[in-house]
Amino acid sequence: GAVVSQHPSWVICKSGTSVKIECRSLDFQATTMFWYRQFPKQSLMLMATSNEGSKATYEQGVEKDKFLINHASLTLSTLTVTSAHPEDSSFYICSAMSLAGLYEQYFGPGTRLTVT
Amino acid sequence: QQQVKQSPQSLIVQKGGISIINCAYENTAFDYFPWYQQFPGKGPALLIAIRPDVSEKKEGRFTISFNKSAKQFSLHIMDSQPGDSATYFCAASMGGGGNKLTFGTGTQLKVEL
Repeated sequence: GAVVSQHPSWVICKSGTSVKIECRSLDFQATTMFWYRQFPKQSLMLMATSNEGSKATYEQGVEKDKFLINHASLTLSTLTVTSAHPEDSSFYICSAMSLAGLYEQYFGPGTRLTVT
Repeated sequence: QQQVKQSPQSLIVQKGGISIINCAYENTAFDYFPWYQQFPGKGPALLIAIRPDVSEKKEGRFTISFNKSAKQFSLHIMDSQPGDSATYFCAASMGGGGNKLTFGTGTQLKVEL
């Protein structure tokens, strides 16, 4: 149980285009999902907290107009990187908390974004 | 005050040995302390977690030791195996803080034959 999927697993896009990443909780309902960014050999950096049916809460320094987050249902959250630039290239990981679990976060497999 | 300090940055252990990774925190409001294992190109996987009302938790070869007064917690991997070679992250969160995880900097563990 507690499986989180991400799609796509990797994506290459051209500078200036937008790319959408999906995060799904497959076997549980998630009221809260989190989006992280991870650079090579570094720790995870929280970008935003996504709650179903409400606006996402962004961490300080994260541009909300650049990283659009939508949490349309209890099993799906999406991150759209708008007008991507090479510096947006990174490993993006989502996590989800179940309705039943108080603290546990379950992570997706990550999406490798490369902007050329 | 939100930081979680993790050490060592890297660790080499012989097969069958004990791997020990340490973390320290400042914020006494943290009330949940998980450890995650991450393989290259994959998302982190929850290994084991502890709440501050207990001093130790064991699951298989993995043990968390928690010292509330010292604000430290550690992960012990008994009988370390080459398949344990991965990056390990400690983290902390508080229910009153929206359960946002604050991660340590990570420890790259290599278990040699």
